[in-house]
Amino acid sequence: QKEVEQDPGPLSVPEGAIVSLNCTYSNSAFQYFMWYRQYSRKGPELLMYTYSSGNKEDGRFTAQVDKSSKYISLFIRDSQPSDSATYLCAMKVRQAGTALIFGKGTTLSVSS
Amino acid sequence: GAGVSQSPSNKVTEKGKDVELRCDPISGHTALYWYRQRLGQGLEFLIYFQGNSAPDKSGLPSDRFSAERTGESVSTLTIQRTQQEDSAVYLCASSLGIEAVQPQHFGDGTRLSIL
Repeated sequence: QKEVEQDPGPLSVPEGAIVSLNCTYSNSAFQYFMWYRQYSRKGPELLMYTYSSGNKEDGRFTAQVDKSSKYISLFIRDSQPSDSATYLCAMKVRQAGTALIFGKGTTLSVSS
Repeated sequence: GAGVSQSPSNKVTEKGKDVELRCDPISGHTALYWYRQRLGQGLEFLIYFQGNSAPDKSGLPSDRFSAERTGESVSTLTIQRTQQEDSAVYLCASSLGIEAVQPQHFGDGTRLSIL
């Protein structure tokens, strides 16, 4: 079992839809959770960063962490064609100097 | 520059050749990380540097891979005697420090193709 599991999709939705992206993990030592967006031929761009269970909202994006279930989600409201990209979840343990552990990424396509 | 800069953006080379990839971190960022992204795969950690401390090389896949960093500036990743399985996008990230709370910011990567 991989440390971080993420459905690669692809996921196709119409403009304006609510999108739900998810990751599960097996290592209970993970304490910091991130979502990155990656456009084609570009590097990952940090979208959301949280380190506690519950919800964190930033504009149209909401990150949700459930440590008891080892499950994280990213919700995108009122999705736009410009949201079409690959979304990567990433997480790390509390120890300093450790690398991020990434999911494989979910490819999202939003059609106008 | 405002962000992490990597060069070259693309590199095509023949099997068996050596390649050198470069990363310029965000100014003031003391921590620097290298990752590899194979097609259809998540990012794999390769190595990280923090200031003048010994680098963490635990992710390097073989002794053909090595990396250097001068102080808190430029880093180079070298792959010797390249193999076809080395084809991937090599991404560099930097952060203010190695504390777990510090987020990592990525460059656009070097797309390496081994013929």
